[in-house]
Amino acid sequence: DAKTTQPNSMESNEEEPVHLPCNHSTISGTDYIHWYRQLPSQGPEYVIHGLTSNVNNRMASLAIAEDRKSSTLILHRATLRDAAVYYCILTGRGGSNYKLTFGKGTLLTVNP
Amino acid sequence: DAGITQSPRHKVTETGTPVTLRCHQTENHRYMYWYRQDPGHGLRLIHYSYGVKDTDKGEVSDGYSVSRSKTEDFLLTLESATSSQTSVYFCAISVSPGETQYFGPGTRLLVL
Repeated sequence: DAKTTQPNSMESNEEEPVHLPCNHSTISGTDYIHWYRQLPSQGPEYVIHGLTSNVNNRMASLAIAEDRKSSTLILHRATLRDAAVYYCILTGRGGSNYKLTFGKGTLLTVNP
Repeated sequence: DAGITQSPRHKVTETGTPVTLRCHQTENHRYMYWYRQDPGHGLRLIHYSYGVKDTDKGEVSDGYSVSRSKTEDFLLTLESATSSQTSVYFCAISVSPGETQYFGPGTRLLVL
């Protein structure tokens, strides 16, 4: 399985942008980049995903490097509710690609 | 939010007793998954289902069995609970392998 590398923790101030990096140098051409987050005492929550182009949704933006070996999740204005563990995961399509491999993720702390 | 519920949300049981956890979805997704989450291990896949009566093992399936008699319900059974099965259990659903997985709120199980 292609692996991802994320910083263990990051800190931000409320209402400031946050850039969460993820390295995935062994990504294959068909792997999608998924981001999930897990708030305290809750189940993982889907945030965003992409393949090659940058993506935006109501929660965040995903910037994907041109060589696809890294990506950045962007929270445009962090709120206290964004404090969570953020996971960057690579997923294939179809076949036996059913399992999500959650690493340790990045613990984001948001200061008021 | 995806319609996924888990029951019970909390359970305390004794070693050697059978336990059944239920996952119910209203999204009509074909794939359903059971994960467990433990400190230091992240989320690990126990079993998954790719259709009614179609199930397969994940990476930590020993001591667990599953059943899926209806699209909307996926049951996880601990035939004889052990203290090592104390964990938080999450159910997830997806349309197909590799697609976004949506998680339930989790069940906290304590085996004494």
